[in-house]
Amino acid sequence: AIRMTQSPSSLSASTGDRVTITCRASQGISSYLVWYQQKPGKAPKLLMYTASTLQSGVPSRFSGSGSGTDFTLTISCLQSEDFATYYCQQYYSYPLTFGGGTKVEIK
Amino acid sequence: QVQLVESGGGLVKPGGSLRLSCAASGFTFSDYYMSWIRQAPGKGLEWVSYISSGGSTIYYADSMKGRFTISRDNAENSLFLQMNSLRAEDTAVYYCARGGADQQLAFDYWGQGTLVTVSS
Repeated sequence: AIRMTQSPSSLSASTGDRVTITCRASQGISSYLVWYQQKPGKAPKLLMYTASTLQSGVPSRFSGSGSGTDFTLTISCLQSEDFATYYCQQYYSYPLTFGGGTKVEIK
Repeated sequence: QVQLVESGGGLVKPGGSLRLSCAASGFTFSDYYMSWIRQAPGKGLEWVSYISSGGSTIYYADSMKGRFTISRDNAENSLFLQMNSLRAEDTAVYYCARGGADQQLAFDYWGQGTLVTVSS
C-alpha cells in the first residue's frame, strides 16, 4: 500500500497568515491526489483533486501543487473558518490511502 | 441537493455483525461510484471499500477483506456495508461517500456518518 505522510501534524497560525501543508507519497502517484478539510464532528469536505484542481465552491485562497511524490496545500490568507484538520488522499492505486492529517489551530 | 444518509450503526459485541445502509438522493445514484470510509475516534480517515456504478467492480482494504461486503441497490438508491466478525478495532464512524463525476475516487459528497462501536 502507498503510504501518505503529512507534515506538520499540527500547526498554529493567525488569521491572515499564509499556511503550507505538505503531503509525501511513498511512491509516485502522478497527480492522483486529493485534499480534504474536516471540522470537528463533521464529514470531510473535498477541497482539491488531481493535486491542483479546485473543487467547485472552494475559495481561491486554497491552492495545491505537486506531482509524483511531493505535494503541497497552501492557504494564502488564513480565515477563521479555515481552522480545521486537512487530509490528503491518493487515488493512484488500491488500497486508497490517506495522510495522517494536519490540524490547523489558532495561535 | 445531494444527500447521503447513513444508518445502521450501533453497539455490537466482538465477533458480531452489523449492516450499514446509505440512502442517496438528489442525484442519479446509478451513475456514480460509491465508497465507505471510516474514522476511529480521534483518529484519521481510513478507506474501507469501493463499488462501481453498476456494482460489477469492488475493492476492499486488506483488513476488511473477507469480513466486509459492499453492495448497492440502484433501484432503491441505496448503498450497503455488511460487516461480519467485528473487532474492537472496527470501532469508528462510518461514512458513505460519492465519487466525483470526473475523478471517481475523489469523494465530493459525504454523509454525516454512523457510529459503530464494537465492545463487550
